[in-house]
Amino acid sequence: DTEVTQTPKHLVMGMTNKKSLKCEQHMGHRAMYWYKQKAKKPPELMFVYSYEKLSINESVPSRFSPECPNSSLLNLHLHALQPEDSALYLCASSQLGLGYNEQFFGPGTRLTVL
Amino acid sequence: AQKVTQAQTEISVVEKEDVTLDCVYETRDTTYYLFWYKQPPSGELVFLIRRNSFDEQNEISGRYSWNFQKSTSSFNFTITASQVVDSAVYFCAPTTGNQFYFGTGTSLTVIP
Repeated sequence: DTEVTQTPKHLVMGMTNKKSLKCEQHMGHRAMYWYKQKAKKPPELMFVYSYEKLSINESVPSRFSPECPNSSLLNLHLHALQPEDSALYLCASSQLGLGYNEQFFGPGTRLTVL
Repeated sequence: AQKVTQAQTEISVVEKEDVTLDCVYETRDTTYYLFWYKQPPSGELVFLIRRNSFDEQNEISGRYSWNFQKSTSSFNFTITASQVVDSAVYFCAPTTGNQFYFGTGTSLTVIP
């Protein structure tokens, strides 16, 4: 199984809502990532988990809260988002959280904040 | 400071033409890895190739080939005999240690 799955595919939420994005992989990878991608822009790294511990937080606002319950699952909890947070949120995994490992990406969650 | 440049914003080619995508990565690091990813309209990024900074051998894999020249910091990617399914945004993505970068991307359109 070489797939990274993400749910939901689309999400529309108000600025006062609380929602969560989910990501799952069954490749035995020990590193997982969250990226944010605006239209016609490259992905921007948000968080990296390595061996279920947060190893990189790219100064992301606290309204985004990551969680890694186990090595196969990665969540992104959303609270009090702003309209400018509307974007494609991509999850990825790699064998290890080191630069030489290629990343496998999920199809993304397209988030709209009203 | 690191700098990734994909100077070509958009490229259009006619099917079966060859196309080369350019990437320049400027860094003072001596050890790094260079990746190319493809993002079709569906949105899912797909890993294509990886090279390390010590290996300047050019390689060919099917219709893909790549040329890495450390002296000019260039890591170019060529698709031969392009097909409509190659239409996508292509990102050059260098990494050093735990630093991950993506270039601005080149949008390739292959016209049937």
